[in-house]
Amino acid sequence: SQELEQSPQSLIVQEGKNLTINCTSSKTLYGLYWYKQKYGEGLIFLMMLQKGGEEKSHEKITAKLDEKKQQSSLHITASQPSHAGIYLCGADLSYNTDKLIFGTGTRLQVFP
Amino acid sequence: KAGVTQTPRYLIKTRGQQVTLSCSPISGHRSVSWYQQTPGQGLQFLFEYFSETQRNKGNFPGRFSGRQFSNSRSEMNVSTLELGDSALYLCASSFGDRAGYEQYFGPGTRLTVT
Repeated sequence: SQELEQSPQSLIVQEGKNLTINCTSSKTLYGLYWYKQKYGEGLIFLMMLQKGGEEKSHEKITAKLDEKKQQSSLHITASQPSHAGIYLCGADLSYNTDKLIFGTGTRLQVFP
Repeated sequence: KAGVTQTPRYLIKTRGQQVTLSCSPISGHRSVSWYQQTPGQGLQFLFEYFSETQRNKGNFPGRFSGRQFSNSRSEMNVSTLELGDSALYLCASSFGDRAGYEQYFGPGTRLTVT
């Protein structure tokens, strides 16, 4: 089974709607990263969470970390077409290295 | 501050050839990690270098190798290319002496093997 499960795999929402993407780890998290990727391009860093209960926001995107559940959620408020892309969560599952394990990604489409 | 840069951006090679990809990290970053992204397998970790030493390695065959120079720039090499090596190769850099530093990715090198 996957060490990092991401859901849903795909989302199609109308502009202006809110949405949530979830990421759950089967192992202890030393860091949880959220990235956005346009097809075939590099990953754009969104946020990194480390501590349980930590919540960070950037513009209309908020990410939270539930340490006990080893789960993070990414919430987009009032979605816009510019939010479209693939959202990836990545996790540090080891303290001493920078090896990230990634979820399978969530493809988000926002239509007017 | 310049971001992570990767060269070349696109590459077409023939089966059996070898290829070298380059990654220049953000200034001050000492950790460079390499990832392979394919539609079927997603993003998979190849290896990580910190201060010129390979610190971690993913589950890839020995045809995949890398190195890091004293200025933290890194190269990865794939020998005896196979069709299945066609992928987007991404590198990421961070300050990296332990987990928990923000990791920034480059734009990637798209390798096509024919």
